[in-house]
Amino acid sequence: DAMVIQNPRYQVTQFGKPVTLSCSQTLNHNVMYWYQQKSSQAPKLLFHYYDKDFNNEADTPDNFQSRRPNTSFCFLDIRSPGLGDAAMYLCATSGVTGVDETQYFGPGTRLLVL
Amino acid sequence: AQSVTQPDIHITVSEGASLELRCNYSYGATPYLFWYVQSPGQGLQLLLKYFSGDTLVQGIKGFEAEFKRSQSSFNLRKPSVHWSDAAEYFCAVASIKAAGNKLTFGGGTRVLVKP
Repeated sequence: DAMVIQNPRYQVTQFGKPVTLSCSQTLNHNVMYWYQQKSSQAPKLLFHYYDKDFNNEADTPDNFQSRRPNTSFCFLDIRSPGLGDAAMYLCATSGVTGVDETQYFGPGTRLLVL
Repeated sequence: AQSVTQPDIHITVSEGASLELRCNYSYGATPYLFWYVQSPGQGLQLLLKYFSGDTLVQGIKGFEAEFKRSQSSFNLRKPSVHWSDAAEYFCAVASIKAAGNKLTFGGGTRVLVKP
């Protein structure tokens, strides 16, 4: 089945130690998104890639970066995690206008910062 | 700016009873509307979506939603709830652009199912 995969499902890191979260997709979608979801809150969009074009949300901290080396993979890098960055990180993909604008989500990676 | 309101933070329903979750949106053009469900510790699963056409939309797991433009609403319903429907439900509106779309979520409604 075509799907969105996130690894790892759980990640523990230390305060200030860089961490990378991974997302891959078999849907061949042009667009990949990263969301942050804190406990009991709605997901908040951090940024997205349309093919290789990076689109950052205005209020996303500089501490968060992303890479998309090819269509299938996208990475979220947190350069210096703080305690406030502990959250669920969700990856999603979509097609483009006129194809399939629906966003399909992966299972998420729960990040714990010690 | 677009926005979504889910007035009910928590809803408790008995198994077998009907369920209705409210969603109100604010959007300047014809909205693209979605309902997602999230089980604890999991990602978001698409239940159904409305882009155009028939205003009563059928989704997975026996859910349906009705788009009412005059009320700016997109309420989710299920005639008979199962214990496995206990989860958090998010309504969202999409701003569709050529280079990807932006989802604006409501605050979510947590559903508890009593035996």
